[in-house]
Amino acid sequence: AQKVTQAQTEISVVEKEDVTLDCVYETRDTTYYLFWYKQPPSGELVFLIRRNSFDEQNEISGRYSWNFQKSTSSFNFTITASQVVDSAVYFCALSEEAVGSNYQLIWGAGTKLIIKP
Amino acid sequence: EPEVTQTPSHQVTQMGQEVILRCVPISNHLYFYWYRQILGQKVEFLVSFYNNEISEKSEIFDDQFSVERPDGSNFTLKIRSTKLEDSAMYFCASSPGTGARYEQYFGPGTRLTVT
Repeated sequence: AQKVTQAQTEISVVEKEDVTLDCVYETRDTTYYLFWYKQPPSGELVFLIRRNSFDEQNEISGRYSWNFQKSTSSFNFTITASQVVDSAVYFCALSEEAVGSNYQLIWGAGTKLIIKP
Repeated sequence: EPEVTQTPSHQVTQMGQEVILRCVPISNHLYFYWYRQILGQKVEFLVSFYNNEISEKSEIFDDQFSVERPDGSNFTLKIRSTKLEDSAMYFCASSPGTGARYEQYFGPGTRLTVT
């Protein structure tokens, strides 16, 4: 069955520290997609990244980077030089491509990130 | 840039009342979704909708819930007789294609409070 696990419920760091949010997933499909969303205190869901299962290249976007490792079924998210504005709940999600799948997003429980000034 | 919109942003209703949450998906999108997030918890899938019918629904989506695309632009979620446990943030999403490769674009959400 599909499942996304974010074991870190809450992380608190001081501004400018680097922080890594862990995401471990389970799927039987060979073709799937992984996502990260940010949910700031205002409540909306902000799309950060989508990665397909055939592309294991790490990605960097400014202070954000993502490490996708199929061997460990992980898709971790690192924020470098964290800022107070990064404080939010971050969700990892999975979507499968299998025929018969309804392509719904399977969500992790989220990690609350607190950046202290 | 096109975006998904949802109205109202916040709805307060009494237990037992009917509510309709409205969403306007991005205009050329084909797949539509409703998700729910109880405060402080994970986001949960409710229902997907394609070609004017439900594609899939979760266990949460019982007979109290219904969805409709009444006029080709709006996509609504109706809860017939609200319960206290229906209090949550409800997110609408739309997608341009049929497949996981297509990103789901989320609306800002409607916070439903049942008293």
